[in-house]
Amino acid sequence: DQQVKQNSPSLSVQEGRISILNCDYTNSMFDYFLWYKKYPAEGPTFLISISSIKDKNEDGRFTVFLNKSAKHLSLHIVPSQPGDSAVYFCAARGSGGGADGLTFGKGTHLIIQP
Amino acid sequence: KAGVTQTPRYLIKTRGQQVTLSCSPISGHRSVSWYQQTPGQGLQFLFEYFSETQRNKGNFPGRFSGRQFSNSRSEMNVSTLELGDSALYLCASSLAPGQMNEKLFFGSGTQLSVL
Repeated sequence: DQQVKQNSPSLSVQEGRISILNCDYTNSMFDYFLWYKKYPAEGPTFLISISSIKDKNEDGRFTVFLNKSAKHLSLHIVPSQPGDSAVYFCAARGSGGGADGLTFGKGTHLIIQP
Repeated sequence: KAGVTQTPRYLIKTRGQQVTLSCSPISGHRSVSWYQQTPGQGLQFLFEYFSETQRNKGNFPGRFSGRQFSNSRSEMNVSTLELGDSALYLCASSLAPGQMNEKLFFGSGTQLSVL
């Protein structure tokens, strides 16, 4: 049973436009959400996070939106740059803190077209 | 500050063998967790260690085990390797578990191929 779902395996966006990556979750006990970015042959790197008490968190070109009632979050990248081409993983943590580890989605491969 | 270091980077084994992977966390980080990444399943949680104790374990068979040493370095072991164990094994460290905004810092992983 997949508790964190990223339904788009890949996404192609033109350079300079907005990239929107989506993530859905089923476990209502999740209360902290993170986005990680991964280049080939490297480990994931932390990008941005959001607590369930917020509905938006912004960091430079990256904004994460959380809709708790819909159990949905999205990552917006504006403007998209060639270096943003990578696999993006959505992850969630339960209210027990790190005790259950992070539950990851399967990732979305973002391709920024010149 | 050095990042999370995993050794070896690549490993080729045959079915039935066992393998040990090593992870050195960021200096000062006391929590180490392990994840398996496969193309079909994404990243799946294996286990987490803190203060040499396993705090939690994911849904993997007993062939997968780990340990943590007093210097926070960790090893994971897979016995009786199967073809399906071929994956990228990622280690992540954090200061301490149990904090809601705990961020994990990942190593580059060990790519294990089982033939």
